[in-house]
Amino acid sequence: GAGVSQSPSNKVTEKGKDVELRCDPISGHTALYWYRQSLGQGLEFLIYFQGNSAPDKSGLPSDRFSAERTGGSVSTLTIQRTQQEDSAVYLCASSLGDRRGTEAFFGQGTRLTVV
Amino acid sequence: AQSVTQLDSQVPVFEEAPVELRCNYSSSVSVYLFWYVQYPNQGLQLLLKYLSGSTLVKGINGFEAEFNKSQTSFHLRKPSVHISDTAEYFCAVSPTGFQKLVFGTGTRLLVSP
Repeated sequence: GAGVSQSPSNKVTEKGKDVELRCDPISGHTALYWYRQSLGQGLEFLIYFQGNSAPDKSGLPSDRFSAERTGGSVSTLTIQRTQQEDSAVYLCASSLGDRRGTEAFFGQGTRLTVV
Repeated sequence: AQSVTQLDSQVPVFEEAPVELRCNYSSSVSVYLFWYVQYPNQGLQLLLKYLSGSTLVKGINGFEAEFNKSQTSFHLRKPSVHISDTAEYFCAVSPTGFQKLVFGTGTRLLVSP
């Protein structure tokens, strides 16, 4: 597609439920990133995929968070047993590669509200 | 580890006035520096980046920033703002390029007539 696509754009879920957030990167982009934008924490790095390499999960806040990337394209961020503090906008970005100058393009995000 | 400080949470300015949004960073290693803009209900858009070379970097929409290594700053400037520049601006750093960006808390620029 023309840009990074995220779905759903908004998600309201009950505390304790699991949620899945989807990211479709720009076609041909081998690198994919997830960030979280919350009122208390600003923008935080969560996880980074590059090609077939093992993902960098160093930013995931707890073991309730996981992400996968199937076929080197679409990525799903899963949050298990959601808590109210998980409420945030989850942003996905992709880039052509991991060379330092390769720009990362962001999607519009998924706004998650845990009630 | 790296950190970014954007001291001004909000900057009000009149249309056609100049503006400077401040960004200071802390890092024990060399970093690359970025400014992103976020318009209401939209994703982040890259304004400009400093990877190497000239310390004065020009970006889109008439914005520019200057990298000052001794002061560990990367302030964003525009000589004359428009109403359409109203948005949230984020400064970010990374030791590796676009991966694992560390963002500041953002500065909301409010341009009024």
